[in-house]
Amino acid sequence: GENVEQHPSTLSVQEGDSAVIKCTYSDSASNYFPWYKQELGKGSQLIIDIRSNVGEKKDQRIAVTLNKTAKHFSLHITETQPEDSAVYFCAASEPGNQFYFGTGTSLTVIP
Amino acid sequence: KAGVTQTPRYLIKTRGQQVTLSCSPISGHRSVSWYQQTPGQGLQFLFEYFSETQRNKGNFPGRFSGRQFSNSRSEMNVSTLELGDSALYLCASSLARGPTDTQYFGPGTRLTVL
Repeated sequence: GENVEQHPSTLSVQEGDSAVIKCTYSDSASNYFPWYKQELGKGSQLIIDIRSNVGEKKDQRIAVTLNKTAKHFSLHITETQPEDSAVYFCAASEPGNQFYFGTGTSLTVIP
Repeated sequence: KAGVTQTPRYLIKTRGQQVTLSCSPISGHRSVSWYQQTPGQGLQFLFEYFSETQRNKGNFPGRFSGRQFSNSRSEMNVSTLELGDSALYLCASSLARGPTDTQYFGPGTRLTVL
């Protein structure tokens, strides 16, 4: 089955700096890679996703890159703000199959 | 449109008891997946239901079971609770199973087993 690894487990950045979280996956059949932001009391929300036919996707300050050959994908947050502080999860999925999640990254943005 | 709701939000049980958690998906969503989240383990997949049928199952013991009703609401049951079952249980719904699936998570039920 699929195995998703996520690094780092904790990340602290100064407000305004960039944050990068990386995930690797093992199953080359996986073709959908979402990122979720989990905040206390707010549940987990999808913030961006990418499919295997795309190498990069951007949404304002958030971007995700995918390297299918190396089987890794990364979340990039630029100009970080205190409200970006949360736990971020990556996931990988094959069509119609279950999602496999990374172990999460706790991001702290220091004002 | 209302999001995924889970009840109860918090639950305290003792070892050996059983518990039932409920999940109401987003209106129109037919797929519901359940996850267990513990520190250091991340989200572990429990099972997925689609149109009242369990379609995928994770690697959890038989004490963990679930079902889905005709209105897509889902319940998860854990029998003979163990201390290690203490976790945040999340459910997620999606419109349909397939390549375009996007999962939407509920706030979770925090289960504490004493």
